[in-house]
Amino acid sequence: QVQLVQSGAEVKKPGASVKVSCKASGYTFTNYPISWVRQAPGQGLEWMGWISTYNGNTNYAQKLQGRVTMTTDTSTSTGYMELRSLRSDDTAMYYCARDRGDLLSDFWGQGTLVTVSS
Amino acid sequence: EIVLTQSPATLSVSPGERGTLSCRASQSVGSKLAWYQHKAGQAPRLLIYGASTRDTDIAARFSGSGSGTEFTLTISSLQSEDFAVYYCQQYNNWPALTFGGGTKVEI
Repeated sequence: QVQLVQSGAEVKKPGASVKVSCKASGYTFTNYPISWVRQAPGQGLEWMGWISTYNGNTNYAQKLQGRVTMTTDTSTSTGYMELRSLRSDDTAMYYCARDRGDLLSDFWGQGTLVTVSS
Repeated sequence: EIVLTQSPATLSVSPGERGTLSCRASQSVGSKLAWYQHKAGQAPRLLIYGASTRDTDIAARFSGSGSGTEFTLTISSLQSEDFAVYYCQQYNNWPALTFGGGTKVEI
């Protein structure tokens, strides 16, 4: 069955970087892009960006441009999201999700809580 | 960026009642509007895409309608498992996908 398993919770200081992983199984990894979505405490969902697992092409939300990098390792069917220069308002649950091909997400990871605090 | 405004912020209903959730877009998204259900501690779940098409295995009590800038999600008879937060998402303006602020459906 399709599964996306994310790395564990992280606590970071302001200004640091975090890299969250998302290991896929149960399907051909390179056939489906990966999207990343986050949810800050008490807030709604925020689309962060998208990466083609086929050729590595990326598209990022404008507000995160320059701070976020999404990559994949096709040898391990794993996607990665790195966020740099962390601020307190980056504290959120971060989700990866499989893009089924029409920009919509059909399977999601369990979420990774990233806390930014001094 | 296309802004999606959902209303109401909170919808208080009783089991068995009908629930109507709205999503308004700041500019036309055609029919490229999806609805997700999000329960605490779980990942979001795709309910509706193309404004009105139910995703696989989604119960028939969920229906979507609308086009352009005005959209509605209707839950015909609310079940206990339907109490959650519902988000609309537009996927017409690529690569700037956006979600609405959510509607919490509570008892």
